[in-house]
Amino acid sequence: NAGVMQNPRHLVRRRGQEARLRCSPMKGHSHVYWYRQLPEEGLKFMVYLQKENIIDESGMPKERFSAEFPKEGPSILRIQQVVRGDSAAYFCASSLWLDDGYTFGSGTRLTVV
Amino acid sequence: QQQVKQSPQSLIVQKGGISIINCAYENTAFDYFPWYQQFPGKGPALLIAIRPDVSEKKEGRFTISFNKSAKQFSLHIMDSQPGDSATYFCAAGGATNKLIFGTGTLLAVQP
Repeated sequence: NAGVMQNPRHLVRRRGQEARLRCSPMKGHSHVYWYRQLPEEGLKFMVYLQKENIIDESGMPKERFSAEFPKEGPSILRIQQVVRGDSAAYFCASSLWLDDGYTFGSGTRLTVV
Repeated sequence: QQQVKQSPQSLIVQKGGISIINCAYENTAFDYFPWYQQFPGKGPALLIAIRPDVSEKKEGRFTISFNKSAKQFSLHIMDSQPGDSATYFCAAGGATNKLIFGTGTLLAVQP
């Protein structure tokens, strides 16, 4: 069991480019969550997905950000037209049940230059 | 109502001492309270969790104390070791709620 796999580990984008972050949940986990962590800050909830469905996107900015979890393949967090303020660590987590412990990936550290 | 307040922001403890981190929540619908440990450059890892039907849970040197009426819970690390130096996050959630995280406590255990 390889755990939650995130890639890339590090991503550098110029302002205005698109960033695509990928997350493969643990085998058997159907709940996927994305969190953003700024330096010396906590984990801010962005979006909660199940296969082919966005369940809760209340923490995701309305513009430029989108997420999907297709029937086949990894969950994708997409940030269009990145700005410097998007620089952060983005963590994906998965769980078997909603009220169960989350298993986090190692994160993708996005730097916008 | 979705906030989880965590304190202190940072903590320095001598080796062998007890580290105590506190959290408070507002939403009475929360019924799952985990603690996560995060090392630099890594993702958070589940350390220990409690549900409100018990007031205390112990796993090795780590203990969660839970006060339902006060809506507070805390992590106690007994016999703290330098290897425990990390950032600790409390969280709250449940069957109808995704996890909401506290702002973290940076623990430094001095040898």
